[in-house]
Amino acid sequence: AQKVTQAQTEISVVEKEDVTLDCVYETRDTTYYLFWYKQPPSGELVFLIRRNSFDEQNEISGRYSWNFQKSTSSFNFTITASQVVDSAVYFCALSDDTYGGSQGNLIFGKGTKLSVKP
Amino acid sequence: DTGVSQDPRHKITKRGQNVTFRCDPISEHNRLYWYRQTLGQGPEFLTYFQNEAQLEKSRLLSDRFSAERPKGSFSTLEIQRTEQGDSAMYLCASSLGGQAYEQYFGPGTRLTVT
Repeated sequence: AQKVTQAQTEISVVEKEDVTLDCVYETRDTTYYLFWYKQPPSGELVFLIRRNSFDEQNEISGRYSWNFQKSTSSFNFTITASQVVDSAVYFCALSDDTYGGSQGNLIFGKGTKLSVKP
Repeated sequence: DTGVSQDPRHKITKRGQNVTFRCDPISEHNRLYWYRQTLGQGPEFLTYFQNEAQLEKSRLLSDRFSAERPKGSFSTLEIQRTEQGDSAMYLCASSLGGQAYEQYFGPGTRLTVT
C-alpha cells in the first residue's frame, strides 16, 4: 500500500538553526515521484521540489536541501540557517502508478509544523 | 495572475443545503485534481480530470459529491445535502500531466457546515 509518514508533528527552532524534516514512504512501484510542499499560515500549498525514483542525487536550492535514500525509503528535507519566514507546515507527498494510467494523484503525509522563533 | 484560482474562498452553509465550488486551473494544464484537507491532516485525493474526462474517484467521494469539468477548462465540485462531516478545506490543483509533473494548488475553499 502507498503511504507517507512524517513522524515529526511539530518542530520548534530558533532562527539560524539548521532543521531536518523527516519523510518515510511506502510503495510497491519501481517508478514513483516524491514531492515536498510548504503550507504557510495563509494556507496555499507551495511546491518546493519533485524527485523521481531513479535519481538519488541530493539536491540543494539555496538554504534548502533534500536527501533521497531508496535503501531506507526516505526523502528528508533540511533547511539551513532557518528564518522566521520558514515557519509553515511542510508536507511530503508520493505519486506512483499503483492504479496504472499515470494517475498522478498525490498521497500526502500528515505534515510537520515548523516554528522558527526570532 | 496566472495561478490556480478558487471561488468562493469561504462558504458557510446549513446542514442539508447544496453547495458548489469552482476552480480555474492554470490555462495550459490539462490535469485538474480535487483534494480535501481537514485540520491537522494532509490533503486527501478526491478526484481528477484529464481535460474534460473524469478518470478517477476516491472512496472519499460519496454519491453526494459530483464534479464536472466542461470543455476541459474550469471545474466545479458540488456537494448535495451537506453534512457536518463535510466541513473541510477543498483544494484544487492543476498540472501539465500525470505523476511526473508537479501540481500547483489554489488557495482552497473553506467549507463550514453548521
